[in-house]
Amino acid sequence: QKEVEQDPGPLSVPEGAIVSLNCTYSNSAFQYFMWYRQYSRKGPELLMYTYSSGNKEDGRFTAQVDKSSKYISLFIRDSQPSDSATYLCAMSDMSTNAGKSTFGDGTTLTVKP
Amino acid sequence: GAVVSQHPSRVICKSGTSVKIECRSLDFQATTMFWYRQFPKQSLMLMATSNEGSKATYEQGVEKDKFLINHASLTLSTLTVTSAHPEDSSFYICSASKGTEAFFGQGTRLTVV
Repeated sequence: QKEVEQDPGPLSVPEGAIVSLNCTYSNSAFQYFMWYRQYSRKGPELLMYTYSSGNKEDGRFTAQVDKSSKYISLFIRDSQPSDSATYLCAMSDMSTNAGKSTFGDGTTLTVKP
Repeated sequence: GAVVSQHPSRVICKSGTSVKIECRSLDFQATTMFWYRQFPKQSLMLMATSNEGSKATYEQGVEKDKFLINHASLTLSTLTVTSAHPEDSSFYICSASKGTEAFFGQGTRLTVV
């Protein structure tokens, strides 16, 4: 069983919809939780990072972490065609640098005009 | 954010030759950089952790003599794929840690013919 599970999708939504992306994990030592966006043939771009449990909002993006359930989410409001990409969740524990993270397999999102 | 530059973005080489990929942190110093490999529609696979001034730490199953890593300065790490074979064709991505955040390069598409 993988340490981080992420539904690969693909997920297709109409423009303006609210998108919910999720990951579950098994390692209770994870303290830092990140979401990356990756366009085709490009490197991942850090979108959000959250330390421990709670919510964090940045514009149209909201990240939620529920450590008791070992479940994290990324919500995208008013989705745009430019949001079409693969979204990767990543996690690390406090003893390692953020770069040495465990990644989910990514969810491919398509926002249709 | 912070900028990590990776070069080249794309390279084609003949079997048996070596290829060097550079990863630079442009506006911050990175004592630790990471090298990943990504297969199509799959997540990032950590290959090694590059430490400035010391030997790289390789993940299990990664041949250190084949994937040479040099972290010559606080802003530069290089990955050299030696004696490349077609099965080494992949997307290679570096990242650099800045505090608890990790920033990725644009990736290098390597094709070995």
